Amino acid sequence: DAGVIQSPRHEVTEMGQEVTLRCKPISGHNSLFWYRQTMMRGLELLIYFNNNVPIDDSGMPEDRFSAKMPNASFSTLKIQPSEPRDSAVYFCASSPADSSAYNEQFFGPGTRLTVL
Amino acid sequence: RKEVEQDPGPFNVPEGATVAFNCTYSNSASQSFFWYRQDCRKEPKLLMSVYSSGNEDGRFTAQLNRASQYISLLIRDSKLSDSATYLCVASGRYGGSQGNLIFGKGTKLSVKP
Repeated sequence: DAGVIQSPRHEVTEMGQEVTLRCKPISGHNSLFWYRQTMMRGLELLIYFNNNVPIDDSGMPEDRFSAKMPNASFSTLKIQPSEPRDSAVYFCASSPADSSAYNEQFFGPGTRLTVL
Repeated sequence: RKEVEQDPGPFNVPEGATVAFNCTYSNSASQSFFWYRQDCRKEPKLLMSVYSSGNEDGRFTAQLNRASQYISLLIRDSKLSDSATYLCVASGRYGGSQGNLIFGKGTKLSVKP
């Protein structure tokens, strides 16, 4: 079975450019999570969706970040405009149940973003 | 105060050693606890859940102390392949919402021959 799929795996862009990260959760999973990981701050939850509906977006750092989940098999995280401090690894994860805290979260391989 | 705190390490141990990691969590309402493992430049993967009664999976033992808000992971007879970063995780940051997990920054383990 395919795990969580993320694209691109690596992205290098210049400050001010728009960046779009993509995620396909595991089929049948109804919770989806976007995380950001840096050495300084560790793994931080940005936003999570349950049945395609955003439940908690309080981790989104500012208005430059937005996330959508138009259907059960696809989600995007967009940064516009990007800044060097957005450089990090962005992980998408999915989980099979509504009360996701009680269930394993399966992580994708991540997108390594570098903003110059 | 960070919600989940861990000693970052690194822990450098010889093969066959027993090593213990600890972490503390700040949200007394957290109900679920886990240890995840993350290899260098890879994604985190679930190692084991942590139950109040304590639980064991082969060489790995996890313990939870709710009164002290303290979680531990013990690795016996460590192997080279155990080298990784171990992330302590607790649930439920917001009110009644148990849908999200809070990750510690991780403890790095390096097992040497």
